[in-house]
Amino acid sequence: ETGVTQTPRHLVMGMTNKKSLKCEQHLGHNAMYWYKQSAKKPLELMFVYNFKEQTENNSVPSRFSPECPNSSHLFLHLHTLQPEDSALYLCASSQEVGSPQETQYFGPGTRLLVL
Amino acid sequence: DQQVKQNSPSLSVQEGRISILNCDYTNSMFDYFLWYKKYPAEGPTFLISISSIKDKNEDGRFTVFLNKSAKHLSLHIVPSQPGDSAVYFCAARGSTSGTYKYIFGTGTRLKVLA
Repeated sequence: ETGVTQTPRHLVMGMTNKKSLKCEQHLGHNAMYWYKQSAKKPLELMFVYNFKEQTENNSVPSRFSPECPNSSHLFLHLHTLQPEDSALYLCASSQEVGSPQETQYFGPGTRLLVL
Repeated sequence: DQQVKQNSPSLSVQEGRISILNCDYTNSMFDYFLWYKKYPAEGPTFLISISSIKDKNEDGRFTVFLNKSAKHLSLHIVPSQPGDSAVYFCAARGSTSGTYKYIFGTGTRLKVLA
């Protein structure tokens, strides 16, 4: 248990559906992240929030829409996804972006399948 | 172009022996490095870190070595245990225009044989 939870753990959706992924951290951190992990590829950073402000959008398609209502919660809203968006989506948190010994702690991930 | 590379996709080691996992990077401005372990159906778990101003950090059975001139990072696990069987990722932190982000390798699957 890393102190970062994600729901749902598994999600199957059609290309016309709208769904949301939720992440919650209980570590008192101020930075939260979304990563995508596709098969045989490295973790790919999607979005970064620091003190609720988005500081990084790594050229992510607009069909992925993040939301960070407070430092403990992060959402990823999904709509009109493509089959190639099927992947493991990981949430992480850290004390603060760029802090001297910044360590990111990951949740268990949401395994997404787009049909 | 991948800035952080783990060239060995898999490694098998006998229980009790040393496991050495390697990671190469291309950006000399990376300032902080992490190793993570990942079991199936779980998220990556932080193992050990090292700052670019150091060349070694040790925590129990785990030691990370940094060779900046070679842009090479390695994780030593000794003695290896069957419970260490997992995928290991290295990550390096860089900054661009004042923003920081971690770049991850593709991982090495370690299998410790009993």
